[in-house]
Amino acid sequence: DIQMTQSPSSLSASLGDRVTITCRASRNITSSLSWYQQKPGKAPNLLIYAASTLRSGVPSRFSGSGSGTDFTLTISSLQPEDFATYYCQHSYSDLFTFGPGTKVDIK
Amino acid sequence: QVQLVQSGAEVKKPGSSVKVSCKPSGGTFSSFPISWVRQAPGQGLEWMGGIIPMFGSANYAQKFQGRVTITADKSTTTAYLELRSLTSEDTAVYYCARAVAAAGSGAVFDSWGQGSLVTVSS
Repeated sequence: DIQMTQSPSSLSASLGDRVTITCRASRNITSSLSWYQQKPGKAPNLLIYAASTLRSGVPSRFSGSGSGTDFTLTISSLQPEDFATYYCQHSYSDLFTFGPGTKVDIK
Repeated sequence: QVQLVQSGAEVKKPGSSVKVSCKPSGGTFSSFPISWVRQAPGQGLEWMGGIIPMFGSANYAQKFQGRVTITADKSTTTAYLELRSLTSEDTAVYYCARAVAAAGSGAVFDSWGQGSLVTVSS
């Protein structure tokens, strides 16, 4: 199975900060990487797919990059509604795996 | 965007089984796979397996092989997750999610159920 790691596991940031989260796959997954946002008590919400394609309706301050094994989610200017946990997920095969998550909270 | 409606919370004894349901609002199955993802308290997301309801073929994460069965009933347009031999470590919120093919990305989960809390306790 393909294993996913994320760093950091948590971070504290202020409103307006630029935030970067890294996701790494245990082997080449080309661009088959998605990012989800989850708020407490809620189901996850798809933000980005194909490593860098923004889902319709997702604010443009979110962006994704990377291919192969290394990927990045960037929030250009952190807003109050962005405090949440973020997960990456590969879809290179039909045995999907999520990363362990990165919790973004208020500094 | 399709809405997925799941069954309610369950409390189960260790060693027993649980069956959770997931039904698309509007009652229409499509060719899109349905996956089951669980989240233990304070933990991350764990993909358990999935099924293509129109065809009935399921695949499972290795961790759950032999202990989980995912099925779909086309007559009631409902997908099911059955987990057997429950232990306290199976206490979690169980989500169903619809997978759609996204260009350049394989399958992504674009719609999720509200989650079903399963508590395993003696």
